[in-house]
Amino acid sequence: LAKTTQPISMDSYEGQEVNITCSHNNIATNDYITWYQQFPSQGPRFIIQGYKTKVTNEVASLFIPADRKSSTLSLPRVSLSDTAVYYCLVGGDNQGGKLIFGQGTELSVKP
Amino acid sequence: SQTIHQWPATLVQPVGSPLSLECTVEGTSNPNLYWYRQAAGRGLQLLFYSVGIGQISSEVPQNLSASRPQDRQFILSSKKLLLSDSGFYLCAWSVRLAGQETQYFGPGTRLLVL
Repeated sequence: LAKTTQPISMDSYEGQEVNITCSHNNIATNDYITWYQQFPSQGPRFIIQGYKTKVTNEVASLFIPADRKSSTLSLPRVSLSDTAVYYCLVGGDNQGGKLIFGQGTELSVKP
Repeated sequence: SQTIHQWPATLVQPVGSPLSLECTVEGTSNPNLYWYRQAAGRGLQLLFYSVGIGQISSEVPQNLSASRPQDRQFILSSKKLLLSDSGFYLCAWSVRLAGQETQYFGPGTRLLVL
């Protein structure tokens, strides 16, 4: 299972775009990259998942370079309610669906 | 749509007492099911996962056990709780999307062992 490295914390202001980068140098060929969001005392919530290039949904965008050794979660125009911990995970089918959660990035959005 | 339920939401138990946490999933069949524990608010640790009824894999040897008596029911148990069992317990289920499994989490149970 590929290990991931993310910044421990980030600060931002309302209305700004936030980019959180995750390093996964040992990503395997069949691994996907998944991001979760977690609020205090709640279960993690799936945000976005991708394999390569760019993926966009109604919540965020995920940018993955050609070598796939890193990925960037982009949150457009954050609000106070985006204050949460964001986890980057890497995994594939051959791990039986098991996910390894790191420490995540604690994003604090200020007014 | 699929939903996942966990109960109770919070629990305070004395050391040495038994534990039973329940998780049920609605709206899907034959899901993979998972139990995680989260201590100190960060970093989820996978405890058990199940790919079918009666099939349990343990990731970390410990004071806990899991059972899956029905397709969409997953139970986390202990015969005698330890102080170190305190934490936030999360149940999750997974579905295969385009060849990659994605996990969806329940609301969690906050356990405090005194």
